[in-house]
Amino acid sequence: EVQLLESGGGLVQPGGSLRLSCAASGFTFSSFAMSWVRQAPGKGLEWVSAISGSTDSTNYADSVKGRFTISRDNSKNTLYLQMNSLRAEDTALYYCAKEQTKYQLYNWFDPWGQGTLVTVSS
Amino acid sequence: DIQMTQSPSSLSASVGDRVTITCRASQSISTYLNWYQQKPGKAPKLLIYGASSLRGGVPSRFSGSGSGTDFTLTISSLQPEDFATYHCQQSFSIPYTFGQGTKVEIK
Repeated sequence: EVQLLESGGGLVQPGGSLRLSCAASGFTFSSFAMSWVRQAPGKGLEWVSAISGSTDSTNYADSVKGRFTISRDNSKNTLYLQMNSLRAEDTALYYCAKEQTKYQLYNWFDPWGQGTLVTVSS
Repeated sequence: DIQMTQSPSSLSASVGDRVTITCRASQSISTYLNWYQQKPGKAPKLLIYGASSLRGGVPSRFSGSGSGTDFTLTISSLQPEDFATYHCQQSFSIPYTFGQGTKVEIK
């Protein structure tokens, strides 16, 4: 069974940093692109970032470009999101999601993890 | 960026009703359109990919159609477990974008 388990969320002050992790199991991790998607309280879904299976291609939403860095350790079956210069508007539940091929585009997200909550507040 | 617009943003329906949700893209996305169901406090779950392909294990009362810019999700006979929020998402270009969601409530 494919499982994704996020961790690393918490309360952080504006301007602070946080690193999220997503532990994957039940599939050949390196063979699939992965994404982070967030959902602010009571709001819709917003794609944040994606990384190809081989780590040679990354993409970001404009809202996080230059502040967030996606990475993965295929030897540990783990996806990461390093978040710097956090702002109040980054407050959200962050989900990791598996894409369907090694490369980005033309994919769908299945499955999703349960999410980890990031709260940016002083 | 491709904008995705869902309508309606919410609807009230009864068990057994036929429900249709639409999603419109700001430019053609071929059939690179996916639908997700999200229940309160839970992660989204894939229902339909490629505009019309039903994910394994998803009841056949769910169906999707469309191509280009206009898409629909249809629930042929609404069941109690279908009350949820539904999201469309395009994967034709990055950044991936979602519709604002459609909340299906009990009448």
